[in-house]
Amino acid sequence: AQKITQTQPGMFVQEKEAVTLDCTYDTSDQSYGLFWYKQPSSGEMIFLIYQGSYDEQNATEGRYSLNFQKARKSANLVISASQLGDSAMYFCAMREKRGGSEKLVFGKGTKLTVNP
Amino acid sequence: NAGVTQTPKFRVLKTGQSMTLLCAQDMNHEYMYWYRQDPGMGLRLIHYSVGEGTTAKGEVPDGYNVSRLKKQNFLLGLESAAPSQTSVYFCASTQSGSITYEQYFGPGTRLTVT
Repeated sequence: AQKITQTQPGMFVQEKEAVTLDCTYDTSDQSYGLFWYKQPSSGEMIFLIYQGSYDEQNATEGRYSLNFQKARKSANLVISASQLGDSAMYFCAMREKRGGSEKLVFGKGTKLTVNP
Repeated sequence: NAGVTQTPKFRVLKTGQSMTLLCAQDMNHEYMYWYRQDPGMGLRLIHYSVGEGTTAKGEVPDGYNVSRLKKQNFLLGLESAAPSQTSVYFCASTQSGSITYEQYFGPGTRLTVT
């Protein structure tokens, strides 16, 4: 069973509008973390935002916010005021502790296209 | 700061050839990881290391070996390359004891096996 599910293979948004990228996760751990990474066409992985399982407030980083709903096991990324440079692949990942190490499990990603 | 670097950036191999990918980090991180990225699959963990001299298997370890002789370096080896190993390989590192365990990624190595 997938631990991280991103149900939107592709999303389109108009420049300056907000967009939500979905992510649901599956874990029985009490302590875990959720990340969003951006991968532009150039290929590098760029860290965007982090949410810890015990954090009571939703994480925000500039135009990025994470809508964390623990009971529903969802960690959606909200991008406000989209820009052309936001066009990229976006990956949701969950940090879990296994085998003495903190590991990341990735979703399959969502390709976001921002239209002018 | 260099962060995480990977050598080489691109490589083409013939089936059966061997090669080693080098990952180096200058952040004194304890944990290091090797991932592969295939279209539509996200990133999958191949092997990881929790410290110098230690290695462990990840989700897709078959066909790969690793070594961590120095804390700053993590090597990924392919002894007999197969077309199924055509992929983009990412190295990452993180510091043990950090609050978030954010992983810092290298730029990737694009490997083609013909």
